[in-house]
Amino acid sequence: NAGVTQTPKFRVLKTGQSMTLLCAQDMNHEYMYWYRQDPGMGLRLIHYSVGEGTTAKGEVPDGYNVSRLKKQNFLLGLESAAPSQTSVYFCASSSVRGADTQYFGPGTRLTVL
Amino acid sequence: AQSVTQLGSHVSVSEGALVLLRCNYSSSVPPYLFWYVQYPNQGLQLLLKYTSAATLVKGINGFEAEFKKSETSFHLTKPSAHMSDAAEYFCAVSDPGKRALTFGSGTRLQVQP
Repeated sequence: NAGVTQTPKFRVLKTGQSMTLLCAQDMNHEYMYWYRQDPGMGLRLIHYSVGEGTTAKGEVPDGYNVSRLKKQNFLLGLESAAPSQTSVYFCASSSVRGADTQYFGPGTRLTVL
Repeated sequence: AQSVTQLGSHVSVSEGALVLLRCNYSSSVPPYLFWYVQYPNQGLQLLLKYTSAATLVKGINGFEAEFKKSETSFHLTKPSAHMSDAAEYFCAVSDPGKRALTFGSGTRLQVQP
């Protein structure tokens, strides 16, 4: 039981490049989330999904897209990376009956030059 | 809209001393409240949660928190700090029925020998 996994762990991009971050969970959770963590700002919600095939915007969605084609996977895409997207990205998941307890992956550290 | 305020971005205590990390929230409805801990270069791990049952909540590693509605607070305490408690701590709030957490900006705890 791996819980929530994220790939890659580290990535360096140049401005304008694109990439996809993959999140996978093996807990059969319905809900999945993408957050970014910046110093002194806690975690901010980018996008989330309440089920396969559904996504919704969070607090800071601009510049990102997401897809949830399979229940266990949640992809975060950056179409044209900008230096402001340098951050640590965390994926999380939760169950319908889990009283909102979210389980987090280990994070992806992204640097955009 | 929900919000969370964590007083003190850095807290330093001596080993064996009381740990007190402060969290105040605002929510339009009775909330669910959480404390998460993040060790260096890791994801977030749930310490404890309040979901409208007992107002004093016990968590892992000897931590506990008390929900005080009149003060809109959910402070985290531990009677005796250990070196292994050094980490960053995040308070978060969720409206029941909603699926997104709102995080505070975090408090970094240092434990001095």
